[in-house]
Amino acid sequence: SQQGEEDPQALSIQEGENATMNCSYKTSINNLQWYRQNSGRGLVHLILIRSNEREKHSGRLRVTLDTSKKSSSLLITASRAADTASYFCATDATSGSRLTFGEGTQLTVNP
Amino acid sequence: DAGVTQSPTHLIKTRGQQVTLRCSPISGHKSVSWYQQVLGQGPQFIFQYYEKEERGRGNFPDRFSARQFPNYSSELNVNALLLGDSALYLCASSLLGITGELFFGEGSRLTVL
Repeated sequence: SQQGEEDPQALSIQEGENATMNCSYKTSINNLQWYRQNSGRGLVHLILIRSNEREKHSGRLRVTLDTSKKSSSLLITASRAADTASYFCATDATSGSRLTFGEGTQLTVNP
Repeated sequence: DAGVTQSPTHLIKTRGQQVTLRCSPISGHKSVSWYQQVLGQGPQFIFQYYEKEERGRGNFPDRFSARQFPNYSSELNVNALLLGDSALYLCASSLLGITGELFFGEGSRLTVL
């Protein structure tokens, strides 16, 4: 079963705009990670945020984590056409031995 | 440094056949995880191996099996293939286990006819 659920399922924006994707999860976690996947390719790690952190930045990426609401958001600023991909959140549950992925958000950035 | 390598990249099988997928982790990584990704969905966890021992198993039937070799490479075997096994099979390695960044290969695309 999927631990995380991303929202929206699909997002289409213009180059230069910001893109925000949300993720909700169900159980206590050690950390939450975001991955990117270009069509039919392997996943690439973007950023990891630990359960005791509230916000983290990496380049044009900003991730927030609210453990009381069991939710996270990924913000991509000043988007580029090359950011077009599927974005997945993944949780490392405290009771589990695996990284559990959500269904993903398909982001399309139009030039 | 070489990333995670998977083989074959694409393969076509018929129902009832068996398939073996291979994965070589990044040098120095001792943990390998396998995921199944059906088109349009997120990756589903199948197995995790660390130091050649199974450390986690997802909700998959016994037709799915895996092992990790002394050099930390891994194989995923699927017997008695069903149409529903058609998917992208992803292998990921990590340094210590699943708590932390996973490095994914490009996957093996399996089509069952």
